[in-house]
Amino acid sequence: DAGVIQSPRHEVTEMGQEVTLRCKPISGHDYLFWYRQTMMRGLELLIYFNNNVPIDDSGMPEDRFSAKMPNASFSTLKIQPSEPRDSAVYFCASSADVLVGIYNEQFFGPGTRLTVL
Amino acid sequence: QKEVEQNSGPLSVPEGAIASLNCTYSDRVSQSFFWYRQYSGKSPELIMSIYSNGDKEDGRFTAQLNKASQYVSLLIRDSQPSDSATYLCAAEYGNNRLAFGKGNQVVVIP
Repeated sequence: DAGVIQSPRHEVTEMGQEVTLRCKPISGHDYLFWYRQTMMRGLELLIYFNNNVPIDDSGMPEDRFSAKMPNASFSTLKIQPSEPRDSAVYFCASSADVLVGIYNEQFFGPGTRLTVL
Repeated sequence: QKEVEQNSGPLSVPEGAIASLNCTYSDRVSQSFFWYRQYSGKSPELIMSIYSNGDKEDGRFTAQLNKASQYVSLLIRDSQPSDSATYLCAAEYGNNRLAFGKGNQVVVIP
């Protein structure tokens, strides 16, 4: 299994530009999570999907952020317009369906390091 | 309000010693807790999970949970240079969602 795949691995853009981050979860996983990691705030959950449906987007910082999951094997996180404070590492993670009382491990992708100038 | 707190600064330990990491959590989070290891420039990977009070051992790692004190810890015995990383404490709070602490950096000195 290739694991969670993210692209691009690095993105440098200028303030005001649109940024699109991509994620392919592990085949068969029903949950997909988008996280942001910074030194100041640590690892924060932005949004998560279950069976392609967004369940909780309360972690999305502003309307400039949006996420979609058009099918079970692809998700995007878009920032429009981007700002310097959006600079961070963005991780995608996936996990299998939750069994009652049992946690299923989240597998993280390699991350996208975003720099907004 | 942050739900998982890791307040200790970087930890330096000599090779072969025990590294001890601590974590506290708020009432809102659930009863499932995890330790992730993150090497510099890499993604987090799960190394330990614990669900009930007491100790859980896996190789050189021991996780300890005290629900009354809302406290989780991780011990790394016989520390090796390859253990040098940032360790993230996490708590599950429903539907597989995780709240993470900011992490503790561990440096094992040969």
